[in-house]
Amino acid sequence: ETGVTQTPRHLVMGMTNKKSLKCEQHLGHNAMYWYKQSAKKPLELMFVYSLEERVENNSVPSRFSPECPNSSHLFLHLHTLQPEDSALYLCASSQVGGRANYGYTFGSGTRLTVV
Amino acid sequence: SQQGEEDPQALSIQEGENATMNCSYKTSINNLQWYRQNSGRGLVHLILIRSNEREKHSGRLRVTLDTSKKSSSLLITASRAADTASYFCAPVGGGGADGLTFGKGTHLIIQP
Repeated sequence: ETGVTQTPRHLVMGMTNKKSLKCEQHLGHNAMYWYKQSAKKPLELMFVYSLEERVENNSVPSRFSPECPNSSHLFLHLHTLQPEDSALYLCASSQVGGRANYGYTFGSGTRLTVV
Repeated sequence: SQQGEEDPQALSIQEGENATMNCSYKTSINNLQWYRQNSGRGLVHLILIRSNEREKHSGRLRVTLDTSKKSSSLLITASRAADTASYFCAPVGGGGADGLTFGKGTHLIIQP
């Protein structure tokens, strides 16, 4: 375990379902992130929460909705997804601020399949 | 943060050989980070080199940074089958609170 735990590890959902991905970090970090990794594509940064404030990302469709209730937990709520949303969703955390930041710690990811 | 560009995109070497991969970026940085990703897993932070450092070592890893050329290299010595993975660089400007951006990476295959 890296200190960042993602659940579930695998998820299959229909296009009309609503589901949520969960991420929890035990590192005392003050920033958390959602990334999407589709086959043959670079990682895409979806959302950033820094000091529990969300950094807007207008390129992410509204069918993805993040929630950060506190600095240790991050959710990604999913509804009416499309098959092209099938991907590996990765959560990460880091400590930011001060003169220089530090490395990110990633979870193992949730493999999402939309049918 | 800006996106780094890794080169080569793919590299295949024999076990025991050294592997070198490069990263180029466009604007000034605070630090540059290297990550490894095994297939279907999360990324693992390998090493961070600050803009005022030129070289850093961690076990079998050696990272160099040339800010005048806006480039970095990652050297893995005495490669092992377990080093087979994709490697990504992430140049970081400012406080890094806006999220790291990753490129296509270098896919390294170690042949037994």
